[in-house]
Amino acid sequence: DVKVTQSSRYLVKRTGEKVFLECVQDMDHENMFWYRQDPGLGLRLIYFSYDVKMKEKGDIPEGYSVSREKKERFSLILESASTNQTSMYLCASTLGGSRTEAFFGQGTRLTVV
Amino acid sequence: KNQVEQSPQSLIILEGKNCTLQCNYTVSPFSNLRWYKQDTGRGPVSLTIMTFSENTKSNGRYTATLDADTKQSSLHITASQLSDSASYICVVSLIKAAGNKLTFGGGTRVLVKP
Repeated sequence: DVKVTQSSRYLVKRTGEKVFLECVQDMDHENMFWYRQDPGLGLRLIYFSYDVKMKEKGDIPEGYSVSREKKERFSLILESASTNQTSMYLCASTLGGSRTEAFFGQGTRLTVV
Repeated sequence: KNQVEQSPQSLIILEGKNCTLQCNYTVSPFSNLRWYKQDTGRGPVSLTIMTFSENTKSNGRYTATLDADTKQSSLHITASQLSDSASYICVVSLIKAAGNKLTFGGGTRVLVKP
């Protein structure tokens, strides 16, 4: 059974804190993605990685960084959390190739107060 | 401007009825189109995936169609059930040299009432 696991379902952090969101997949997928989902805006791509230590900016990378030291793990980092980063964060992974399925984690709802 | 547009934004239907959701896209070069179902507070789960050469794909009571010429897709739900209440998201995959970029529509929120 394929699985993408995000480390937390719910997080509450204070403004200015450094926040780590972890994502692990057990499918040996090359590609991993971080999205945020906000009402009325759909899913927006923050960063993605197509290989270990490789990363590319998505559509809204400002205020975020990522780390992919191992193939199975992709971390999203908020260096200094702000209230406008309150959102649902979704991690996804895919194999290479055009027809491959994208599998999502269960999501992390982050609230910055 | 969002390159994947879905309509309607929300929809209420009675249990047992059918409904159709629309997706128009402008992204290119197109690789494939996917429909996902997302229950409240959960991650999206795949329903169908179609390449440009496929016109229709079914998954149980869900049937997706694709017209690559007009860049339109639809998702038809037959004999709706209460468990169909969810958001349905259209996702278009772009061909890129490194990785496949997914472009998401804003979703259609479906509420099935008894």
